[in-house]
Amino acid sequence: EDQVTQSPEALRLQEGESSSLNCSYTVSGLRGLFWYRQDPGKGPEFLFTLYSAGEEKEKERLKATLTKKESFLHITAPKPEDSATYLCAVRSLLGGATNKLIFGTGTLLAVQP
Amino acid sequence: SQTIHQWPATLVQPVGSPLSLECTVEGTSNPNLYWYRQAAGRGLQLLFYSVGIGQISSEVPQNLSASRPQDRQFILSSKKLLLSDSGFYLCAWAGTGFYEQYFGPGTRLTVT
Repeated sequence: EDQVTQSPEALRLQEGESSSLNCSYTVSGLRGLFWYRQDPGKGPEFLFTLYSAGEEKEKERLKATLTKKESFLHITAPKPEDSATYLCAVRSLLGGATNKLIFGTGTLLAVQP
Repeated sequence: SQTIHQWPATLVQPVGSPLSLECTVEGTSNPNLYWYRQAAGRGLQLLFYSVGIGQISSEVPQNLSASRPQDRQFILSSKKLLLSDSGFYLCAWAGTGFYEQYFGPGTRLTVT
């Protein structure tokens, strides 16, 4: 069964204090790993897609990396506006034409000024 | 550009009442459409998905149903709501041949 586990559940950082969020996965044939940002009371906002081990994507202070078993979302010099829940999802070979994604439970990030 | 809408934004309904949530997508054609429910502190649970008009697949047995009467319209319904139906309902779309799903603003449903 495809599974996604995110850690930590919550993370509190001081502004400027860099850190990483983890997403470990078990899937039958990875067909994409996705990172989303979700603000309270809103729908998830798409950030990145990674397809193969070694791939990296960057956007402002965020960088996502992928290995064969996990992905990291690195946050460099975070600002209070980076505070949100970060969700990880995978699409497996079983997803088929329906493009079903399996989501983790997310990491709640709080950046204090 | 593509836009996804959901309404209502919030809803408070008594137990046993019917439900209808609507989702529409603009700026694309023949999208894959999805309904998710997000409970507090939990991940997104896929409820239904549709690859075309009238084509609905259910992921979780429950008292909810979905319909797709038009290419870019997706409706989530219930005949009689349960307390356990409370949650944050999200609609998402994905383009044919693309894997990323894009989410709407969500509907907060409270069943009292």
